[in-house]
Amino acid sequence: QKEVEQNSGPLSVPEGAIASLNCTYSDRGSQSFFWYRQYSGKSPELIMSIYSNGDKEDGRFTAQLNKASQYVSLLIRDSQPSDSATYLCAVNSGSQGNLIFGKGTKLSVKP
Amino acid sequence: DGGITQSPKYLFRKEGQNVTLSCEQNLNHDAMYWYRQDPGQGLRLIYYSQIVNDFQKGDIAEGYSVSREKKESFPLTVTSAQKNPTAFYLCASNPRATHYGYTFGSGTRLTVV
Repeated sequence: QKEVEQNSGPLSVPEGAIASLNCTYSDRGSQSFFWYRQYSGKSPELIMSIYSNGDKEDGRFTAQLNKASQYVSLLIRDSQPSDSATYLCAVNSGSQGNLIFGKGTKLSVKP
Repeated sequence: DGGITQSPKYLFRKEGQNVTLSCEQNLNHDAMYWYRQDPGQGLRLIYYSQIVNDFQKGDIAEGYSVSREKKESFPLTVTSAQKNPTAFYLCASNPRATHYGYTFGSGTRLTVV
């Protein structure tokens, strides 16, 4: 069974700090990696995608990928209370390329 | 604007009743998906369809059925065989390319009364 693992949290950080969210995956053949943000009671929203080893930056968000270690992370700089949400890691897997989702890490940013 | 529309937003089902959740997209995406999310849980795949008139079971297909008669539409029926249907149901679509993430609809919250 292919899996995506995340710490469920909650992860609590003060406003202005860096939040670090981590994800590991089991399928070595995975090629595409995504981070979704889900506010309580809402649907997931795609915030980052990464396909190559290394870092990818978009505004306050940086995604990091290490395929050798089967590890993906998301850094949120200058965290804001509006960043408080559950962050889902998703990895493509299998011949159909369907996404497998982790259970999510709940982030709380305290003012 | 392009997007995915799910309806209704809230749905109440009586014991033994079948209900159908609607999902329509105008993104011209080939692939469509249905997920179920329970509190504190991740997304679990119910059914998916890569092309019209074809669909495959996901991890938790028992008690559910789907159809894909049009590219734009992928309705999900929750049958009376689904013993614990109370959950948040999410429909998603994708251009059928692995380099694209999924676009999600706003979800339907189903409650058994």
